[in-house]
Amino acid sequence: EAGVAQSPRYKIIEKRQSVAFWCNPISGHATLYWYQQILGQGPKLLIQFQNNGVVDDSQLPKDRFSAERLKGVDSTLKIQPAKLEDSAVYLCASSLEGKHSNQPQHFGDGTRLSIL
Amino acid sequence: AQTVTQSQPEMSVQEAETVTLSCTYDTSESDYYLFWYKQPPSRQMILVIRQEAYKQQNATENRFSVNFQKAAKSFSLKISDSQLGDAAMYFCAYRRTRANNDMRFGAGTRLTVKP
Repeated sequence: EAGVAQSPRYKIIEKRQSVAFWCNPISGHATLYWYQQILGQGPKLLIQFQNNGVVDDSQLPKDRFSAERLKGVDSTLKIQPAKLEDSAVYLCASSLEGKHSNQPQHFGDGTRLSIL
Repeated sequence: AQTVTQSQPEMSVQEAETVTLSCTYDTSESDYYLFWYKQPPSRQMILVIRQEAYKQQNATENRFSVNFQKAAKSFSLKISDSQLGDAAMYFCAYRRTRANNDMRFGAGTRLTVKP
């Protein structure tokens, strides 16, 4: 089974620039998550999709972050404009579950974003 | 709000020995799930073990087992016969069973395995 694919693996940009990350979940996984993992901390959920609908985006800084999953498969996460504090690893995960489940989340390798 | 606390930023263990990683959490829910994830230096998070709160029996997966104390809101991970490949960051995570079931992670414990 192919895992969760993310690209790019690394990205370096200057503050106030824009950046986009891409995620392809495991085939058949209805639920997709984007996490932000700042160095030395655990992952923090940014947004959760169920198919192409948003389940939870309460921790997404909506003034600069946006995400979409138009066809219920691939997803993109965008930051515009980037700030220094956005330097982190952005992890994508997917799972089989519906709204109520203990299904594990499968994570991608992440994108390491550095803001200069 | 649910919070997860891992009080040990770093732990080390001798190869073949046993180590226990601590985790406590705060919740007002009675039903939830708990997880331990492993994140090796390559960064991909891998599920190690999971526990449903309604189950009294502690989960076990080969060399990995948990000590789930619901009243104390404690969920520790025991790694027996430690191997060099166990070296990684370990994250404890909590998840509600109801709608908007976001996963809350602790800050992690870095485990070093000494040969």
